[in-house]
Amino acid sequence: AQTVTQSQPEMSVQEAETVTLSCTYDTSESDYYLFWYKQPPSRQMILVIRQEAYKQQNATENRFSVNFQKAAKSFSLKISDSQLGDAAMYFCAYSTSGTYKYIFGTGTRLKVLA
Amino acid sequence: EAQVTQNPRYLITVTGKKLTVTCSQNMNHEYMSWYRQDPGLGLRQIYYSMNVEVTDKGDVPEGYKVSRKEKRNFPLILESPSPNQTSLYFCASSLIGAPGSYEQYFGPGTRLTVT
Repeated sequence: AQTVTQSQPEMSVQEAETVTLSCTYDTSESDYYLFWYKQPPSRQMILVIRQEAYKQQNATENRFSVNFQKAAKSFSLKISDSQLGDAAMYFCAYSTSGTYKYIFGTGTRLKVLA
Repeated sequence: EAQVTQNPRYLITVTGKKLTVTCSQNMNHEYMSWYRQDPGLGLRQIYYSMNVEVTDKGDVPEGYKVSRKEKRNFPLILESPSPNQTSLYFCASSLIGAPGSYEQYFGPGTRLTVT
């Protein structure tokens, strides 16, 4: 069975600094999707970034980028120039292509210090 | 505005009293799904649907029912709620087989308390 592990329950970063959130997953599939979702205090789930496993190039969305290491089954999220509005719970998620079953990690709470 | 709506947003009920949480999307998405979020456990998938009249179990389906009679609606039914179903529930939807598929749009969440 697929699993997603986020080993950092909580992290802090100084405003304007860079932080990396870790995510590892376990699967025997070769074609799948990985996601990072942000959940601010409003509880709304917001897609931050997605990565297709068949793409070697790491996905980037403005200040957010991923380090996708397929062989190591690692999918970390880097947030550059951290802003107060980045403070939230971040969830890593996985879905096998074609199944639409999703597995979420337990989340990392990010605090941004002014 | 493209959105997923859930009702009610907050619900306090008693053990055994049947309830339904509604979910509706206006994006013509084929795929819809229900999750529950519990502290320390992240989000866990309850049921999902690939299209009308097509539903399948997620990881934690026990104690829940769903139906998909219309493309836009995917209600979650708790026939006999128990305190261990106290949780935050999310509905989500996405396209299938098209650019943007797998990108789920989430509803605002329903906070359910069962006493």
